[in-house]
Amino acid sequence: SQTIHQWPATLVQPVGSPLSLECTVEGTSNPNLYWYRQAAGRGLQLLFYSVGIGQISSEVPQNLSASRPQDRQFILSSKKLLLSDSGFYLCAWKQGYRETQYFGPGTRLLVL
Amino acid sequence: AQSVAQPEDQVNVAEGNPLTVKCTYSVSGNPYLFWYVQYPNRGLQFLLKYITGDNLVKGSYGFEAEFNKSQTSFHLKKPSALVSDSALYFCGAAGNKLTFGGGTRVLVKP
Repeated sequence: SQTIHQWPATLVQPVGSPLSLECTVEGTSNPNLYWYRQAAGRGLQLLFYSVGIGQISSEVPQNLSASRPQDRQFILSSKKLLLSDSGFYLCAWKQGYRETQYFGPGTRLLVL
Repeated sequence: AQSVAQPEDQVNVAEGNPLTVKCTYSVSGNPYLFWYVQYPNRGLQFLLKYITGDNLVKGSYGFEAEFNKSQTSFHLKKPSALVSDSALYFCGAAGNKLTFGGGTRVLVKP
């Protein structure tokens, strides 16, 4: 069966520090991968998605970036965090165009 | 562009009463619709989906949803709500990306 992992679970970082969040999927190959941010326990904002290695689509211009160095690995990064980057970051995967999308457990990021 | 709307920010219901969470959509072509639930500090959990076929879709934890093409709606329902159903619910429409509604918080009171 397929599983999705995110780490760390919680992160507290100072403003201006770098960020690296990792997401990995097991039990499938060539998945579509997604990064979302959820602020204040509410709506979901799609940040990036990837349909293959090295292929990244950005939905919202900001100081975050994403990379997919391996088929089942998706990384969210920032060179300098802002206070507004605080939130709950969710990674997700799905296999095909209209297949069910499955979410990871999330990373809670607090920028101080 | 496709869009999904959840018109209610919050729904309050007494335990044992029917629960309905509303969702309307705007998509081109055949809609592929989903419902997810999110508990505090957790990822989204898949509840059910409509791809084709019967308009009434049954999912996890006793939830079901009714697809109505003429009203472009996909409301989530549960005949008898439990306190443990209190959570945040998201409706979504699928394409290459999954477009979500803004979420509806459900509070079931004992």
